Amino acid sequence: DVKVTQSSRYLVKRTGEKVFLECVQDMDHENMFWYRQDPGLGLRLIYFSYDVKMKEKGDIPEGYSVSREKKERFSLILESASTNQTSMYLCASSPLPGREKLFFGSGTQLSVL
Amino acid sequence: KQEVTQIPAALSVPEGENLVLNCSFTDSAIYNLQWFRQDPGKGLTSLLLIQSSQREQTSGRLNASLDKSSGRSTLYIAASQPGDSATYLCAVRTQGAGNMLTFGGGTRLMVKP
Repeated sequence: DVKVTQSSRYLVKRTGEKVFLECVQDMDHENMFWYRQDPGLGLRLIYFSYDVKMKEKGDIPEGYSVSREKKERFSLILESASTNQTSMYLCASSPLPGREKLFFGSGTQLSVL
Repeated sequence: KQEVTQIPAALSVPEGENLVLNCSFTDSAIYNLQWFRQDPGKGLTSLLLIQSSQREQTSGRLNASLDKSSGRSTLYIAASQPGDSATYLCAVRTQGAGNMLTFGGGTRLMVKP
């Protein structure tokens, strides 16, 4: 089975801190994604990557950046955390487009105080 | 821009009942549609993936259908059980949108013993 692992289940950070959310997948998938999920707003795509060192903006990239130095690891960076970035963050991966299923990690609940 | 809608937002049924969850999308030019299950505070688990050329997919007590021309999909759950209680989300991958999925808001299902 595909495993997508997010490094933290819960995180509490202060406004202005730089925050790193880590995601690792073990199935050699090309595509990796970062979503945030908020009540009433559903899942929204922040960034995705289809290859090492490649990244594409999703629907809501403002205030975030990403890093993909290795195929199995995709990091989401909050450059200066703000209270409106309090959310559930979900990482996902999939093989090349075509017949892919999307596999999600368990999520990181981030609170910015 | 693709929009995905799931109605109802919440559903409560007695155990043993057969039920149908609905998903509609505005742009019929899709590659595929996925149904996911999400337990509270957890990530998403892919249940079924239907390619645009397919009409339905089955897995155990679950059957998903796709009518691309009318922009609709249904998830049929047979003989519902309390363990089926969760939020069910559908997501479409739209032609011209690259690797991006558009998610519906989900249907929160409760199956009462």
